Amino acid sequence: SQQGEEDPQALSIQEGENATMNCSYKTSINNLQWYRQNSGRGLVHLILIRSNEREKHSGRLRVTLDTSKKSSSLLITASRAADTASYFCATQTGANNLFFGTGTRLTVIP
Amino acid sequence: EADIYQTPRYLVIGTGKKITLECSQTMGHDKMYWYQQDPGMELHLIHYSYGVNSTEKGDLSSESTVSRIRTEHFPLTLESARPSHTSQYLCASSEGGRGGTDTQYFGPGTRLTVL
Repeated sequence: SQQGEEDPQALSIQEGENATMNCSYKTSINNLQWYRQNSGRGLVHLILIRSNEREKHSGRLRVTLDTSKKSSSLLITASRAADTASYFCATQTGANNLFFGTGTRLTVIP
Repeated sequence: EADIYQTPRYLVIGTGKKITLECSQTMGHDKMYWYQQDPGMELHLIHYSYGVNSTEKGDLSSESTVSRIRTEHFPLTLESARPSHTSQYLCASSEGGRGGTDTQYFGPGTRLTVL
């Protein structure tokens, strides 16, 4: 399976701290995407990083990609209570469908 | 905010009933998807469509069926619901991956409970 594995499964931090989530996958990819899901809702796309990119920033988000290790990390800086959600990585090969990881549940304590 | 809608948001029904979950998008996207997700768990692709009159089965076997008669509409039907169908169903759409990248836009989901 190409499905990603995320680590940790759950993370609890204080407001203002940084949160780091990791994603590992099994096959060569075209791009890797991160999505956020608030409890009981649909997913929202956060950021996409192509296979030839190593790092990408969007606001308080920083994503890295290491294709040699088949892994990616999502860093959320200066976390807020509103960042509490589940975060999923998703990989894409060519024009194929996305394969979603198992998700990390982030809780930011005010 | 993505222009993709799902109805109903919540549905509680008895075993054996036929149900249709509605999904529509106003973005003109070619590809549409249905995922099944149990609470706190990963997403499983059960159906997708490349466009009108195209339907494909996903990675997770499902007793549901889908149709794509119009670009904007991708309903999912269960002919005879069972308690094992209790789950959250998420609909998504995307432009179709031109250029090697394909971002998906999700609806709010339908939480189905079969008693």
